[in-house]
Amino acid sequence: ELKVEQNPLFLSMQEGKNYTIYCNYSTTSDRLYWYRQDPGKSLESLFVLLSNGAVKQEGRLMASLDTKARLSTLHITAAVHDLSATYFCAVANNFGNEKLTFGTGTRLTIIP
Amino acid sequence: ETGVTQSPTHLIKTRGQQVTLRCSSQSGHNTVSWYQQALGQGPQFIFQYYREEENGRGNFPPRFSGLQFPNYSSELNVNALELDDSALYLCASSFSGLPTDTQYFGPGTRLTVL
Repeated sequence: ELKVEQNPLFLSMQEGKNYTIYCNYSTTSDRLYWYRQDPGKSLESLFVLLSNGAVKQEGRLMASLDTKARLSTLHITAAVHDLSATYFCAVANNFGNEKLTFGTGTRLTIIP
Repeated sequence: ETGVTQSPTHLIKTRGQQVTLRCSSQSGHNTVSWYQQALGQGPQFIFQYYREEENGRGNFPPRFSGLQFPNYSSELNVNALELDDSALYLCASSFSGLPTDTQYFGPGTRLTVL
């Protein structure tokens, strides 16, 4: 059974600082997603990573995928308050029906 | 292009009752997946429908059932509601067959079971 773990679960950081969220998964997959969720809201797609070594960047967020290590990272550069949210990674199974297994989420709070 | 919509937004039911949640997929999408998100947790896969057929199911009992219609909209039905069914129910639509296959989520239905 595919398991997805994120760490840290909670992250409080000051504006302007850099930090990384880690996502580990237990079985082979070549498709990983990052989503953002604001309190009481739905999930917003951030990145889709499709192959080993894939790197995607949007604004202050950069995501990477290492399929051999079964690890993805979401790096935050020079954090701003608007990035406060819960971030989820999700791994697709390889059996064609695109079942997503989500991590536990990282609740990120940016302090002014 | 319209996004994924869900109805109702909030619902309160009592134990033992039945509930139907509805989802309209994004224009051009042929696949709908349903997820349950308990408070403070990540979404859990319930099942997926592709071209009106169930195409995968998570670890949910048979009292969770669904339908997909020819226009690719979908329903999630839950019978004999239990307190633990209280959660945010999310549907996500996608177009199967594309390399990216990103699932786009609707706003969710918040179900409270008393």
